[in-house]
Amino acid sequence: AQSVTQPDIHITVSEGASLELRCNYSYGATPYLFWYVQSPGQGLQLLLKYFSGDTLVQGIKGFEAEFKRSQSSFNLRKPSVHWSDAAEYFCAVGEQTGANNLFFGTGTRLTVIP
Amino acid sequence: DSGVTQTPKHLITATGQRVTLRCSPRSGDLSVYWYQQSLDQGLQFLIQYYNGEERAKGNILERFSAQQFPDLHSELNLSSLELGDSALYFCASSVGGSGGRNEQFFGPGTRLTVL
Repeated sequence: AQSVTQPDIHITVSEGASLELRCNYSYGATPYLFWYVQSPGQGLQLLLKYFSGDTLVQGIKGFEAEFKRSQSSFNLRKPSVHWSDAAEYFCAVGEQTGANNLFFGTGTRLTVIP
Repeated sequence: DSGVTQTPKHLITATGQRVTLRCSPRSGDLSVYWYQQSLDQGLQFLIQYYNGEERAKGNILERFSAQQFPDLHSELNLSSLELGDSALYFCASSVGGSGGRNEQFFGPGTRLTVL
């Protein structure tokens, strides 16, 4: 069965510092991988996705993520965090065949301090 | 704004009651998904409809049901409500209904509080 682990429940970084949010997945084949962001009181917005090909994917708002098959990881990174990046971040796995539903990790809450 | 609308935004009700949550997908999207976000369970997939037919089922309780109408809007019905049903319910939509590459666009959610 698919599962997604986000080991960090809460991360605090200073504005301007770099950021890395961890995501590990368990899936029988190469999954489709996604990162979503949820701002307070808002729905989820897609930051980036990986289907195949180049393992470093670029997303919106200056985010990028790297797929590492050997580590079953898909970590999200940003070189310089802005105060507006404070939000909850969710990693998700989708299946290549069958239904299109997503399996989400438990999320990482990001706090940005000035 | 994702283009997915959900009503109502907030819902407060009592245990044992029944409620209906409504979702209108983005224009052109045929697939609708329902997710539940709670503190103890996280974000869980409940059910998916594609062009009026049930496509996939996740951790949806028997007390819950959904349907998608000919105009493609969807309703999630929650009955015999319990305190533990208090959660944020999201609807998402996508163009296609299978294969994993269809990007899902999420609505703002309906916050259900059961007292």
